[in-house]
Amino acid sequence: KNEVEQSPQNLTAQEGEFITINCSYSVGISALHWLQQHPGGGIVSLFMLSSGKKKHGRLIATINIQEKHSSLHITASHPRDSAVYICAVGAQKLVFGQGTRLTINP
Amino acid sequence: EAQVTQNPRYLITVTGKKLTVTCSQNMNHEYMSWYRQDPGLGLRQIYYSMNVEVTDKGDVPEGYKVSRKEKRNFPLILESPSPNQTSLYFCASSWRQGLENGYTFGSGTRLTVV
Repeated sequence: KNEVEQSPQNLTAQEGEFITINCSYSVGISALHWLQQHPGGGIVSLFMLSSGKKKHGRLIATINIQEKHSSLHITASHPRDSAVYICAVGAQKLVFGQGTRLTINP
Repeated sequence: EAQVTQNPRYLITVTGKKLTVTCSQNMNHEYMSWYRQDPGLGLRQIYYSMNVEVTDKGDVPEGYKVSRKEKRNFPLILESPSPNQTSLYFCASSWRQGLENGYTFGSGTRLTVV
């Protein structure tokens, strides 16, 4: 069993839909990160979470430390949100989930 | 512009021929790290550095070397590349191991070893 599990692996939705991507982990963590990998391959840090909830524009990330679970939500999804979203846990040593490939159709 | 610069972007080489992938950042970050990304395996950490002259192994360090002689540079060295090191490589840097504002990633280096 992987230390970091993401679900779903693939997600296709229509523009405007509310999107949820989940991340569960089995190890103790100092932080959890959400990353976005664009179709061209570049990777961008979206959020760093150690507790609670963060919001940036249409993106919201939450973490429940007791349940070892985090969610990434996208409100009013748009085709430009199409990307692979990757959950990673740790700080100096990072362990990554397998990623969720999100496709938003117009 | 704040950035992490990796070179080269693409490299095809032969088995056993030593190569270096360079990584440089202009943000005065103390933390730098290398990852490889493979289909079905996702991203895995190779080495990381907490500061100048301080490096440590990640999950998949075999076959790789790194050095951190100055803060801005963190080269990845493959002394005798093998085909199983064909991969997409990313360098990243951050303040406080990503605990402030996450990581800044380079654009990636696609390496093919034949």
